[in-house]
Amino acid sequence: NAGVTQTPKFQVLKTGQSMTLQCAQDMNHEYMSWYRQDPGMGLRLIHYSVGAGITDQGEVPNGYNVSRSTTEDFPLRLLSAAPSQTSVYFCASSPQGFGYTFGSGTRLTVV
Amino acid sequence: QQQVKQSPQSLIVQKGGISIINCAYENTAFDYFPWYQQFPGKGPALLIAIRPDVSEKKEGRFTISFNKSAKQFSLHIMDSQPGDSATYFCAASTGNEKLTFGTGTRLTIIP
Repeated sequence: NAGVTQTPKFQVLKTGQSMTLQCAQDMNHEYMSWYRQDPGMGLRLIHYSVGAGITDQGEVPNGYNVSRSTTEDFPLRLLSAAPSQTSVYFCASSPQGFGYTFGSGTRLTVV
Repeated sequence: QQQVKQSPQSLIVQKGGISIINCAYENTAFDYFPWYQQFPGKGPALLIAIRPDVSEKKEGRFTISFNKSAKQFSLHIMDSQPGDSATYFCAASTGNEKLTFGTGTRLTIIP
């Protein structure tokens, strides 16, 4: 099993550009989440999903969209990148909302 | 609003010593308290977790102590080793809902 796979690992965007961060898991987990990690602020929840077709907002959802058309995939879309979105993004999955498995992260820089 | 407060921000412990990291929470509805360990360039990994119906949980050298009345919980690492050097995050959630993280503690074990 590959676990939680995130692509790309690194990305540089210009302000105003859009992009999609990919996340896929092969563990048949129902719960999936997106977090951003910034120095001194821990991990903050952006969006999460409890199953295909069901998504909800987390603590810092503004500027991000998600969809969950399959159990395996949970992409995160940046609509119009801003320097404040420079961060490390982590996707995580869990079978029941407990014991999340995290991906290795995407380091995003917006210039 | 920081729902889970973690301290200290950084900690240096000698090899063989006890590392102690503390967390406090306000939301009495929280009923699941995990700790995650993160190495540089990697995603967080679940280390140990506790529910409020027990006051202590031990797994190897790692122990969670839980004080429900004080709304505090802590991670104790016994016989700390250089390989334990990492960033540690406490977290909390209600049922299987959104996981809220503390701001992290960078632990360094020195020989």
